[in-house]
Amino acid sequence: AQKVTQAQTEISVVEKEDVTLDCVYETRDTTYYLFWYKQPPSGELVFLIRRNSFDEQNEISGRYSWNFQKSTSSFNFTITASQVVDSAVYFCALSDVTGTASKLTFGTGTRLQVTL
Amino acid sequence: DGGITQSPKYLFRKEGQNVTLSCEQNLNHDAMYWYRQDPGQGLRLIYYSQIVNDFQKGDIAEGYSVSREKKESFPLTVTSAQKNPTAFYLCASSRTPLRDTIYFGEGSWLTVV
Repeated sequence: AQKVTQAQTEISVVEKEDVTLDCVYETRDTTYYLFWYKQPPSGELVFLIRRNSFDEQNEISGRYSWNFQKSTSSFNFTITASQVVDSAVYFCALSDVTGTASKLTFGTGTRLQVTL
Repeated sequence: DGGITQSPKYLFRKEGQNVTLSCEQNLNHDAMYWYRQDPGQGLRLIYYSQIVNDFQKGDIAEGYSVSREKKESFPLTVTSAQKNPTAFYLCASSRTPLRDTIYFGEGSWLTVV
């Protein structure tokens, strides 16, 4: 069975600090996809990134960066110079592609609170 | 604008009543999904549909029903058989059923009173 663990339930930082959200996953699949979603107070899940299990190259998008390490089954997300608008719940998810449809297994989320 | 529209945003239901949540997408996506979110928990899959007139149970399908008569529409009915229906419900879609990014709507809050 697949599993995603986000051990950090809640993180509070002061604006401009860097913050890393941890994600550890378990799967028996050799091919899989990992995702990060942001859920602001409005409730909608906003897609941030998708990473193929064969691509371990780190990715940077503006203030966001992702570190994928297959050896430790981790897909961590770093926000550099955090801003108040980054306050949200962030979910890591793992996609099952061995069946007939992509289904996401979610972690329990990390609530990030950025204050002035 | 292209996207996934859920309605209503907030819904109150009396115990014993069925209620239907609407989900419409104009992204021309083949696959659609319904997830449930409870406070402090991740999302759990209720039902998914890969193509029109086809759908499969997810991890927590008991007490729910769906239909997929049109490509753009995937309504979810929460029946009186659902023991704990109060939750946040999210509809999602993806271009293809496999290996594709899943996009979400804004969600619907259902409260049983």
